[in-house]
Amino acid sequence: DGGITQSPKYLFRKEGQNVTLSCEQNLNHDAMYWYRQDPGQGLRLIYYSQIVNDFQKGDIAEGYSVSREKKESFPLTVTSAQKNPTAFYLCASARAGGYYNEQFFGPGTRLTVL
Amino acid sequence: DQQVKQNSPSLSVQEGRISILNCDYTNSMFDYFLWYKKYPAEGPTFLISISSIKDKNEDGRFTVFLNKSAKHLSLHIVPSQPGDSAVYFCAASERGTSYGKLTFGQGTILTVHP
Repeated sequence: DGGITQSPKYLFRKEGQNVTLSCEQNLNHDAMYWYRQDPGQGLRLIYYSQIVNDFQKGDIAEGYSVSREKKESFPLTVTSAQKNPTAFYLCASARAGGYYNEQFFGPGTRLTVL
Repeated sequence: DQQVKQNSPSLSVQEGRISILNCDYTNSMFDYFLWYKKYPAEGPTFLISISSIKDKNEDGRFTVFLNKSAKHLSLHIVPSQPGDSAVYFCAASERGTSYGKLTFGQGTILTVHP
Protein backbone atom coordinates (compact mmCIF):
# COMPACT_ATOMS: atom_id res chain seq x y z
CA ASP A 1 0.00 0.00 0.00
CA GLY A 2 1.34 3.43 -0.95
CA GLY A 3 1.30 6.15 1.64
CA ILE A 4 3.10 8.43 4.03
CA THR A 5 4.36 7.30 7.40
CA GLN A 6 5.41 9.50 10.28
CA SER A 7 7.13 8.37 13.41
CA PRO A 8 6.83 8.47 16.29
CA LYS A 9 3.13 9.18 16.83
CA TYR A 10 3.84 10.84 20.20
CA LEU A 11 7.10 12.45 21.23
CA PHE A 12 8.15 14.07 24.46
CA ARG A 13 11.12 16.36 24.72
CA LYS A 14 12.80 18.22 27.51
CA GLU A 15 13.44 21.91 27.01
CA GLY A 16 16.78 22.56 25.36
CA GLN A 17 16.86 19.28 23.43
CA ASN A 18 16.77 18.86 19.68
CA VAL A 19 14.40 16.22 18.33
CA THR A 20 13.95 14.75 14.83
CA LEU A 21 10.59 13.74 13.37
CA SER A 22 10.58 11.13 10.64
CA CYS A 23 8.58 11.27 7.40
CA GLU A 24 8.74 8.59 4.70
CA GLN A 25 6.63 8.22 1.54
CA ASN A 26 6.45 5.47 -1.07
CA LEU A 27 4.16 7.35 -3.47
CA ASN A 28 7.08 8.35 -5.69
CA HIS A 29 6.19 11.99 -5.09
CA ASP A 30 8.77 14.66 -5.78
CA ALA A 31 7.48 17.34 -3.42
CA MET A 32 7.32 17.03 0.34
CA TYR A 33 6.13 19.44 3.00
CA TRP A 34 6.12 19.94 6.77
CA TYR A 35 3.24 21.69 8.53
CA ARG A 36 2.47 22.57 12.08
CA GLN A 37 -1.05 22.60 13.54
CA ASP A 38 -1.95 24.42 16.74
CA PRO A 39 -5.40 24.35 18.40
CA GLY A 40 -7.89 26.58 16.60
CA GLN A 41 -5.48 27.31 13.79
CA GLY A 42 -5.01 26.02 10.32
CA LEU A 43 -1.94 24.25 9.06
CA ARG A 44 1.11 26.46 8.76
CA LEU A 45 3.96 25.60 6.38
CA ILE A 46 7.38 25.07 7.98
CA TYR A 47 9.57 23.79 5.11
CA TYR A 48 9.06 22.27 1.69
CA SER A 49 11.18 20.42 -0.82
CA GLN A 50 10.60 19.98 -4.55
CA ILE A 51 13.53 17.68 -5.32
CA VAL A 52 16.28 15.77 -3.57
CA ASN A 53 18.99 17.90 -1.96
CA ASP A 54 16.88 21.04 -2.24
CA PHE A 55 14.46 22.64 0.22
CA GLN A 56 13.03 26.07 1.03
CA LYS A 57 11.69 27.81 4.10
CA GLY A 58 7.97 28.13 4.55
CA ASP A 59 6.10 30.67 6.64
CA ILE A 60 7.38 29.60 10.08
CA ALA A 61 10.84 28.04 9.53
CA GLU A 62 12.61 29.64 12.49
CA GLY A 63 13.81 27.01 14.98
CA TYR A 64 13.43 24.14 12.51
CA SER A 65 15.74 22.38 10.06
CA VAL A 66 15.24 19.72 7.39
CA SER A 67 17.19 17.53 4.99
CA ARG A 68 16.23 15.78 1.75
CA GLU A 69 18.92 13.22 0.97
CA LYS A 70 16.48 10.71 -0.50
CA LYS A 71 13.31 11.18 -2.50
CA GLU A 72 11.36 9.08 -0.01
CA SER A 73 12.48 10.81 3.17
CA PHE A 74 12.11 14.34 4.57
CA PRO A 75 13.00 14.45 8.29
CA LEU A 76 12.29 17.55 10.38
CA THR A 77 14.47 18.58 13.31
CA VAL A 78 12.91 20.77 15.97
CA THR A 79 15.80 22.62 17.56
CA SER A 80 16.12 24.20 20.98
CA ALA A 81 15.80 27.57 19.22
CA GLN A 82 12.10 26.92 18.54
CA LYS A 83 10.35 28.95 21.23
CA ASN A 84 7.05 27.09 21.33
CA PRO A 85 7.54 23.61 19.87
CA THR A 86 4.57 21.82 21.43
CA ALA A 87 2.23 21.13 18.51
CA PHE A 88 0.91 18.55 16.06
CA TYR A 89 3.29 18.12 13.12
CA LEU A 90 2.11 16.92 9.73
CA CYS A 91 4.15 15.79 6.75
CA ALA A 92 2.69 15.82 3.24
CA SER A 93 3.76 14.94 -0.27
CA ALA A 94 2.58 15.76 -3.78
CA ARG A 95 3.37 14.61 -7.30
CA ALA A 96 5.30 16.75 -9.72
CA GLY A 97 3.61 18.39 -12.65
CA GLY A 98 4.59 21.98 -12.60
CA TYR A 99 1.65 22.89 -10.42
CA TYR A 100 1.07 20.73 -7.41
CA ASN A 101 -2.36 20.87 -5.90
CA GLU A 102 -3.49 17.85 -3.98
CA GLN A 103 -1.23 17.03 -1.10
CA PHE A 104 -1.34 13.71 0.71
CA PHE A 105 -0.78 13.80 4.45
CA GLY A 106 0.76 11.43 6.95
CA PRO A 107 -0.88 10.60 10.29
CA GLY A 108 1.09 13.24 12.20
CA THR A 109 3.38 13.41 15.23
CA ARG A 110 2.31 15.10 18.43
CA LEU A 111 5.31 16.73 20.09
CA THR A 112 5.12 17.80 23.71
CA VAL A 113 7.88 19.74 25.42
CA LEU A 114 8.08 19.02 29.13
CA ASP B 1 -2.88 38.33 7.81
CA GLN B 2 -5.29 35.42 7.44
CA GLN B 3 -5.77 34.99 3.68
CA VAL B 4 -8.17 32.06 4.07
CA LYS B 5 -10.82 32.30 6.77
CA GLN B 6 -13.37 29.87 8.09
CA ASN B 7 -15.43 32.07 10.38
CA SER B 8 -17.51 29.30 11.94
CA PRO B 9 -15.42 27.30 14.42
CA SER B 10 -18.14 24.67 14.69
CA LEU B 11 -21.34 23.44 13.07
CA SER B 12 -23.89 20.97 14.39
CA VAL B 13 -26.48 19.27 12.14
CA GLN B 14 -28.92 16.41 12.31
CA GLU B 15 -28.27 13.20 10.40
CA GLY B 16 -29.89 13.33 6.96
CA ARG B 17 -29.88 17.12 6.77
CA ILE B 18 -27.58 19.35 4.74
CA SER B 19 -24.27 20.58 6.15
CA ILE B 20 -22.91 23.82 4.71
CA LEU B 21 -19.37 24.82 5.54
CA ASN B 22 -18.14 28.23 4.46
CA CYS B 23 -14.78 29.69 3.58
CA ASP B 24 -13.72 33.22 2.57
CA TYR B 25 -10.47 34.32 1.01
CA THR B 26 -8.80 37.64 0.37
CA ASN B 27 -6.03 36.85 -2.13
CA SER B 28 -7.29 37.34 -5.68
CA MET B 29 -4.34 35.31 -6.99
CA PHE B 30 -5.80 32.09 -5.55
CA ASP B 31 -7.02 29.96 -8.42
CA TYR B 32 -7.49 26.48 -6.99
CA PHE B 33 -9.36 25.52 -3.85
CA LEU B 34 -9.47 22.30 -1.89
CA TRP B 35 -11.39 20.87 1.06
CA TYR B 36 -9.75 18.47 3.49
CA LYS B 37 -11.35 16.39 6.22
CA LYS B 38 -9.48 15.60 9.41
CA TYR B 39 -10.22 13.22 12.28
CA PRO B 40 -8.53 13.76 15.67
CA ALA B 41 -4.89 12.62 15.86
CA GLU B 42 -4.85 11.84 12.11
CA GLY B 43 -3.61 13.63 9.02
CA PRO B 44 -6.07 15.48 6.77
CA THR B 45 -7.50 13.60 3.80
CA PHE B 46 -8.40 15.24 0.52
CA LEU B 47 -12.12 15.55 -0.07
CA ILE B 48 -12.90 17.66 -3.12
CA SER B 49 -11.43 20.55 -5.10
CA ILE B 50 -12.46 23.24 -7.55
CA SER B 51 -10.62 25.34 -10.09
CA SER B 52 -11.35 29.05 -10.41
CA ILE B 53 -12.66 28.50 -13.94
CA LYS B 54 -15.62 26.61 -12.48
CA ASP B 55 -18.31 27.61 -10.03
CA LYS B 56 -19.40 24.14 -8.94
CA ASN B 57 -17.90 20.70 -8.53
CA GLU B 58 -19.80 17.66 -7.32
CA ASP B 59 -18.63 14.30 -6.03
CA GLY B 60 -21.30 12.07 -4.57
CA ARG B 61 -22.70 13.67 -1.42
CA PHE B 62 -20.16 16.50 -1.57
CA THR B 63 -20.50 19.66 -3.65
CA VAL B 64 -18.23 22.68 -3.59
CA PHE B 65 -19.45 26.06 -4.81
CA LEU B 66 -17.17 28.94 -5.72
CA ASN B 67 -18.26 32.58 -5.91
CA LYS B 68 -15.23 34.43 -7.23
CA SER B 69 -16.77 37.89 -7.07
CA ALA B 70 -17.49 37.41 -3.38
CA LYS B 71 -14.25 35.48 -2.79
CA HIS B 72 -16.29 32.81 -1.10
CA LEU B 73 -16.55 29.06 -1.33
CA SER B 74 -18.76 26.58 0.41
CA LEU B 75 -18.91 22.83 0.89
CA HIS B 76 -22.32 21.17 0.92
CA ILE B 77 -22.76 17.68 2.33
CA VAL B 78 -26.10 16.04 1.53
CA PRO B 79 -27.28 13.99 3.30
CA SER B 80 -25.06 14.38 6.34
CA GLN B 81 -24.00 11.21 8.16
CA PRO B 82 -22.53 10.70 11.65
CA GLY B 83 -19.29 9.52 10.01
CA ASP B 84 -18.93 12.99 8.50
CA SER B 85 -18.20 14.38 11.97
CA ALA B 86 -14.67 15.78 11.69
CA VAL B 87 -12.74 19.00 11.23
CA TYR B 88 -12.99 20.44 7.73
CA PHE B 89 -10.26 22.68 6.34
CA CYS B 90 -10.48 24.72 3.19
CA ALA B 91 -7.23 25.47 1.41
CA ALA B 92 -6.21 27.64 -1.52
CA SER B 93 -3.41 27.53 -4.03
CA GLU B 94 -1.96 30.60 -5.68
CA ARG B 95 -1.38 31.03 -9.38
CA GLY B 96 2.30 30.98 -10.22
CA THR B 97 3.60 29.06 -7.20
CA SER B 98 5.45 26.14 -8.70
CA TYR B 99 5.75 24.22 -5.48
CA GLY B 100 2.04 24.10 -4.87
CA LYS B 101 1.88 25.93 -1.58
CA LEU B 102 -1.48 25.59 0.11
CA THR B 103 -2.85 28.24 2.46
CA PHE B 104 -5.25 26.74 4.98
CA GLY B 105 -8.19 28.14 6.91
CA GLN B 106 -8.57 27.58 10.64
CA GLY B 107 -10.97 24.68 10.24
CA THR B 108 -14.63 24.06 11.15
CA ILE B 109 -15.63 21.25 13.47
CA LEU B 110 -18.68 19.48 12.04
CA THR B 111 -20.79 17.34 14.35
CA VAL B 112 -23.56 15.24 12.83
CA HIS B 113 -26.04 13.95 15.39
CA PRO B 114 -27.87 10.64 14.83
